[in-house]
Order: sequence, then structure tokens, then C-alpha cells
Amino acid sequence: KNEVEQSPQNLTAQEGEFITINCSYSVGISALHWLQQHPGGGIVSLFMLSSGKKKHGRLIATINIQEKHSSLHITASHPRDSAVYICAVRSNTDKLIFGTGTRLQVFP
Amino acid sequence: DTGVSQDPRHKITKRGQNVTFRCDPISEHNRLYWYRQTLGQGPEFLTYFQNEAQLEKSRLLSDRFSAERPKGSFSTLEIQRTEQGDSAMYLCASSLSGTGSGYTFGSGTRLTVV
Repeated sequence: KNEVEQSPQNLTAQEGEFITINCSYSVGISALHWLQQHPGGGIVSLFMLSSGKKKHGRLIATINIQEKHSSLHITASHPRDSAVYICAVRSNTDKLIFGTGTRLQVFP
Repeated sequence: DTGVSQDPRHKITKRGQNVTFRCDPISEHNRLYWYRQTLGQGPEFLTYFQNEAQLEKSRLLSDRFSAERPKGSFSTLEIQRTEQGDSAMYLCASSLSGTGSGYTFGSGTRLTVV
């Protein structure tokens, strides 16, 4: 069993839909990252969370430390949101353990 | 500062050749990480440095792989006697030690072994 599990693996949506991606982990962490990866490979950090909730534009990330679960929400989705979204947990040595990613496609 | 830079962006090499990749981290960041990502998978940890010291190496890093960070600034990752299974995206990232600091990724080096 992977230490970081994401669901769903693939997600398609119509423009404007509300999207949720889930992440569960089984190890102790110091923080959790949500990352975005576009074709070509570059990774952009969206959020780093250690508790509660963060919001940036149409993106919202939440974490429940007791339940070892985090969610990434995208409100009013747009085709430019199409990407792979990766959950990664940060160990006490700062290295990241990654989930396998959720491939999101938003159609106009 | 222009972020984390990786060079080259793409590398195609014949099986059995040696390749070397370079990563220039954000200058204030004392930690530097190498990850490998194969198609359809999330990145996997390879190794990391704090300043010039290599503090942890994954079991994924066979003896054909070596990484250095000689002056605590840029790092190189060398793969000797490349195999087709080495084809992957090699990602570098840097951070400032301490859980409150951000993590910045480079654009990666895509290696194809033919």
C-alpha cells in the first residue's frame, strides 16, 4: 500500500463544475503539499498545509491531521485548470513522499 | 533569483553511455533534493543534500548513480552505463531547512535512453 493515496486517478469535468481531489496518507508528516504539473513536467507548488484550510483564488485546500486526510477543491473550473494534481507529504527530514497524481481534464 | 534551474531540459543518449545533469537551486536554500518520475507515476525520492553533505540516499539509487554538491551550491547527478529503465524525468528541488519554508522545483531533465 502506498504511503500517499490520491483519488480519483482521473477526473473529467465540464467548465464551471466544482472539483474535489482527495489525499490520504499513512505516515507522520510535518506538512502536506498540493502541486500542479503540466505536460512537459514542470511542477508548481500550490499550497503547503500543516493544519486547517488555505485559499488562493479559486483553489481551496484543507487538511485534517487526525484523520490523515487532505482535499483540494477547485471552484468554477476552467479548461486552463487541466493538469495533473499531486499530493505530497513532507517528512521530518523535509523530503517529499508523493501520491501518483490525479489527471484533471476540464472541457469547455 | 530565477528559481531552480536544471540543465539540460532534454537528453537523449544511447544505452551504456554516461550522462550528467546539473541543478542550480535558489541561492539561499541549503537543502537540495533529486527526484525521479517515470511516466504516469508520482516522483520518487532519490537523494538530498544539506549544504554539501549528502544526508540520505534512496535504495533506488544504484551504484551507477552518483550525486554531488561540492560547494553547497549547485548539484550534479551522474548516471553511468545508462539503461533503458533509467528513462525518466529527473527533478531537482530546493528548500531552506525548517518546516515552515517553501519547496521550489526545477523544470526537470527528461532523459531518454535508446
